Amino acid sequence: EVVLTQSPGTLSLSPGERATLSCRASQSVRSGYLAWYQQKPGQAPRLLIYGASTRATGIPDRFSGSGSGTDFTLTISRLEPEDFAVYFCQQYGGSPPALTFGGGTKVEIK
Amino acid sequence: QVQLQESGPGLVKPSETLSLICAVSGYSISSGYYWGWIRQPPGKGLEWIGSIYHSGSTYYNPSLKSRVTILVDTSKNQFSLNLSSVTAADTAVYYCASQRGPFDYWGQGTLVTVSS
Repeated sequence: EVVLTQSPGTLSLSPGERATLSCRASQSVRSGYLAWYQQKPGQAPRLLIYGASTRATGIPDRFSGSGSGTDFTLTISRLEPEDFAVYFCQQYGGSPPALTFGGGTKVEIK
Repeated sequence: QVQLQESGPGLVKPSETLSLICAVSGYSISSGYYWGWIRQPPGKGLEWIGSIYHSGSTYYNPSLKSRVTILVDTSKNQFSLNLSSVTAADTAVYYCASQRGPFDYWGQGTLVTVSS
């Protein structure tokens, strides 16, 4: 099983600042099958990024994903008030696919 | 756009079976895709439970496999989750989602509490 470790656990930033979130896998994620989700309180997660770097439909371009192998990053270039939320990474590779989530990073207002 | 809606009892007794249904609209399940269940204990992270293809083939989280059954009913355009022998540790918000690789569309989630 691929274990995903997200860091930091909490990121305290101000609107307009840049956020850099890390997701490290215990073994290489096949074909970059790595996704990022945003979750706000009381809501279901929303898909932001898939394939490590492809934005999902309707996702603003201030969100970007990068990385390969075992190290992946989600960057929010300039935080908007609506971006303060919890972010999860997820790998969906393997045959049959084995789906695991990271523990999450909370981006809070400083 | 694909829409999903979970339904089922909000309270289940320990040792009993948790049963949920996910109704899909805006897309025909028989047309393709995988369909999955994910859960989230209060205040905690996400855990994938299992997934089913429109043909009925399934794959499950190894840690839950012995207790999980996921079925698809293409005539009703819905799929279901059964989780047997539940304990308090199974208390969570349960989500269903469409799965084209990642989970792209999600239901709103339903809280299931395991308690006597």
